[in-house]
Amino acid sequence: GNSVTQMEGPVTLSEEAFLTINCTYTATGYPSLFWYVQYPGEGLQLLLKATKADDKGSNKGFEATYRKETTSFHLEKGSVQVSDSAVYFCALTKIQGAQKLVFGQGTRLTINP
Amino acid sequence: EAGVAQSPRYKIIEKRQSVAFWCNPISGHATLYWYQQILGQGPKLLIQFQNNGVVDDSQLPKDRFSAERLKGVDSTLKIQPAKLEDSAVYLCASRGLAGRQETQYFGPGTRLLVL
Repeated sequence: GNSVTQMEGPVTLSEEAFLTINCTYTATGYPSLFWYVQYPGEGLQLLLKATKADDKGSNKGFEATYRKETTSFHLEKGSVQVSDSAVYFCALTKIQGAQKLVFGQGTRLTINP
Repeated sequence: EAGVAQSPRYKIIEKRQSVAFWCNPISGHATLYWYQQILGQGPKLLIQFQNNGVVDDSQLPKDRFSAERLKGVDSTLKIQPAKLEDSAVYLCASRGLAGRQETQYFGPGTRLLVL
């Protein structure tokens, strides 16, 4: 079946550090890939997405590239801020059919000033 | 545009009691999802509606969980009787009808604690 595996957390970085959160997936066919973010006390928000191989999703300085050959969708940011502290979820969905989201377990990121 | 609304935001009950959650999706969104998010895990789909019909309820524990979306708009999720392991955040999400419009929009969730 479809599944998503994320880098285990928690991850703690200093402000302005480079961030990578690894995500790999298992799926039949060609899924769409997403990163969702959950800030403290808030609901899930879509951060970025990519719908086909080699697409790059980007938002708020975050980027992720859909790599079919390595079945990966790693999240990166060049210089993190304290306000980026949150839980990050990688997810996939199939274009056809029910389009339910399958999530990874989440990675808690803490940025220290 | 108003987002997905959920209520209540928090609920504490004792095991074997019943509880109900309500969701109002984004106006015009035909597809509605209920997810369960246990602490430290990613959300897991419980049930998906397309208008007022069930598309996928394969992960719904039907002996105790039920959900309905009678008029194809609001939805309620009920647990009866609740167990300790039902303690989680229950998330509602909605999505528009357009073919490749895949983005799901989430509500703030209802945090349930079963004692």
